[in-house]
Amino acid sequence: AQSVTQLDSHVSVSEGTPVLLRCNYSSSYSPSLFWYVQHPNKGLQLLLKYTSAATLVKGINGFEAEFKKSETSFHLTKPSAHMSDAAEYFCVVSESGGSYIPTFGRGTSLIVHP
Amino acid sequence: DGGITQSPKYLFRKEGQNVTLSCEQNLNHDAMYWYRQDPGQGLRLIYYSQIVNDFQKGDIAEGYSVSREKKESFPLTVTSAQKNPTAFYLCASSPQAIGNTIYFGEGSWLTVV
Repeated sequence: AQSVTQLDSHVSVSEGTPVLLRCNYSSSYSPSLFWYVQHPNKGLQLLLKYTSAATLVKGINGFEAEFKKSETSFHLTKPSAHMSDAAEYFCVVSESGGSYIPTFGRGTSLIVHP
Repeated sequence: DGGITQSPKYLFRKEGQNVTLSCEQNLNHDAMYWYRQDPGQGLRLIYYSQIVNDFQKGDIAEGYSVSREKKESFPLTVTSAQKNPTAFYLCASSPQAIGNTIYFGEGSWLTVV
């Protein structure tokens, strides 16, 4: 069975400061992990994904995430927040040995202050 | 361009009516999904289909129905049995493969009037 927990429902940062969105997962098989971003009234856009290659994954818009098997974590980071980063972020897990049906976290709302 | 097209973007339903949300993809993906999103909430899986002419219930299938007669199409019908249908509905598709990326449409807003 697979599950994903986003540890913060809201994260508030100032523009230009680092961003950290936390995600822990549980999986019976080798997982694929994803981060998606959703702007208001829009669909979800893929930021980055991990599929058992390099543990540090770089995505779009300066975001990156590190897969840590020992900690079962896949936290999303960005060195410097921009106002346009304000959105909802979803962590997603999909098991390679399962049915591939992904499981979504409940989302983290990123608020960026000027 | 390849992608997923949902229509309509906004839909209003009267009490007791059935309404159908359209979802079309030209990505040649085997799997398609319907999710419901309530304001400030995460995504909940309604139905999914991994192959033509077959589909499975998700976590909140009651009051909804789907069909998968063609690979590229996966319409969702919100029936009158769904007592609280006002929500944002997202259609998605993905390849059936390890590390599959899910691609999303732009969503449809359904409001009961």
